Amino acid sequence: NAGVTQTPKFQVLKTGQSMTLQCAQDMNHEYMSWYRQDPGMGLRLIHYSVGAGITDQGEVPNGYNVSRSTTEDFPLRLLSAAPSQTSVYFCASSSQRDRENTEAFFGQGTRLTVV
Amino acid sequence: AQSVTQLDSQVPVFEEAPVELRCNYSSSVSVYLFWYVQYPNQGLQLLLKYLSGSTLVKGINGFEAEFNKSQTSFHLRKPSVHISDTAEYFCAVMRPWGGKLIFGQGTELSVKP
Repeated sequence: NAGVTQTPKFQVLKTGQSMTLQCAQDMNHEYMSWYRQDPGMGLRLIHYSVGAGITDQGEVPNGYNVSRSTTEDFPLRLLSAAPSQTSVYFCASSSQRDRENTEAFFGQGTRLTVV
Repeated sequence: AQSVTQLDSQVPVFEEAPVELRCNYSSSVSVYLFWYVQYPNQGLQLLLKYLSGSTLVKGINGFEAEFNKSQTSFHLRKPSVHISDTAEYFCAVMRPWGGKLIFGQGTELSVKP
């Protein structure tokens, strides 16, 4: 049982390049989310999904796209990377079908540097 | 909308001393409350959670937290800290059937010998 798997772990991009951060979960969770972590700002929600085919914006969605074609996968796309997108990115999944076991599980993170 | 405020950005403490990390939240609806810990260069690990019921919840590594609805707080406590507790701690809220977490800014706990 792998939990939440993020790839890559590290990435350096040039300004203007595009890339996709991958996230997969094997727990059949209905909810998936992407966060970015910056010093002193905690984790801020970029986009989230309540199920396959349904996505919505979080606090800081500009410059990022998502899609959820399957329950398992929730990729995050950077359309044209900017230095302001240098950050650590975390993917998370959760389920509330069994309330007592409600919690979010996180991937190990992707450290992205845009130069 | 929900928001979370962690009142201390850094908390230095000596080993074996007690510690309290403070968290206040704002929400117009009932929420679930969580504390996560992040060790250096690692992901987030759940410490404890409040979903309903008893307002005092116990978690891993000897931590506990108390939900106070009237003060909209969820402070984290440990009676005696260890060097290994040095980490960043995040308080977060989640709406029932919402699926997304709203985090506070984080508190860096530094335990000194």
